Amino acid sequence: KAGVTQTPRYLIKTRGQQVTLSCSPISGHRSVSWYQQTPGQGLQFLFEYFSETQRNKGNFPGRFSGRQFSNSRSEMNVSTLELGDSALYLCASRAGYEQYFGPGTRLTVT
Amino acid sequence: AQTVTQSQPEMSVQEAETVTLSCTYDTSESDYYLFWYKQPPSRQMILVIRQEAYKQQNATENRFSVNFQKAAKSFSLKISDSQLGDAAMYFCAYRSLPYNQGGKLIFGQGTELSVKP
Repeated sequence: KAGVTQTPRYLIKTRGQQVTLSCSPISGHRSVSWYQQTPGQGLQFLFEYFSETQRNKGNFPGRFSGRQFSNSRSEMNVSTLELGDSALYLCASRAGYEQYFGPGTRLTVT
Repeated sequence: AQTVTQSQPEMSVQEAETVTLSCTYDTSESDYYLFWYKQPPSRQMILVIRQEAYKQQNATENRFSVNFQKAAKSFSLKISDSQLGDAAMYFCAYRSLPYNQGGKLIFGQGTELSVKP
């Protein structure tokens, strides 16, 4: 089985722009979660989607949004980028108790 | 709200020796899951071991074992016969039991483990 894939792997954006990141879960997994990893704040939960519905949401501003498609692929969008949004964004798909993580998208905001 | 604390930002171990990484957590829930994840320089998060809170027996996976003390809310990871490939950032994580909470992991700040040859 193919693992969780994330595209793009690296991204450089300018402050004020918006960005969309993509995550393809392991085949058959219906749950996709997103996390932000920064040196200062560590790993923080953004949101979870299950069967195209947002099921959980972390404590992030409304600029962070996501969606899930019928094939379970998920996208997250960040609007009006700020310098502090520079981070590694990880997605994970889940079956049962275990989450399987993708390699991440490294976003740099300049 | 649940919190996870790893008090050791960095640890070092000699190859073939044993090292223990500490983790404490705070929760008012009685049932939950605890995990240790490994993140090597490639940044790929890998599950090392999991523990269900309702199980008294400590989990073991090959050279990795945990010491789960539910009353003390402590969950340490022991790595035996350390290998160079064990060098990585290790994260302790908490998950609530209900399936609809399963997509949310609460992570500690991580412990950077270096292995000396």
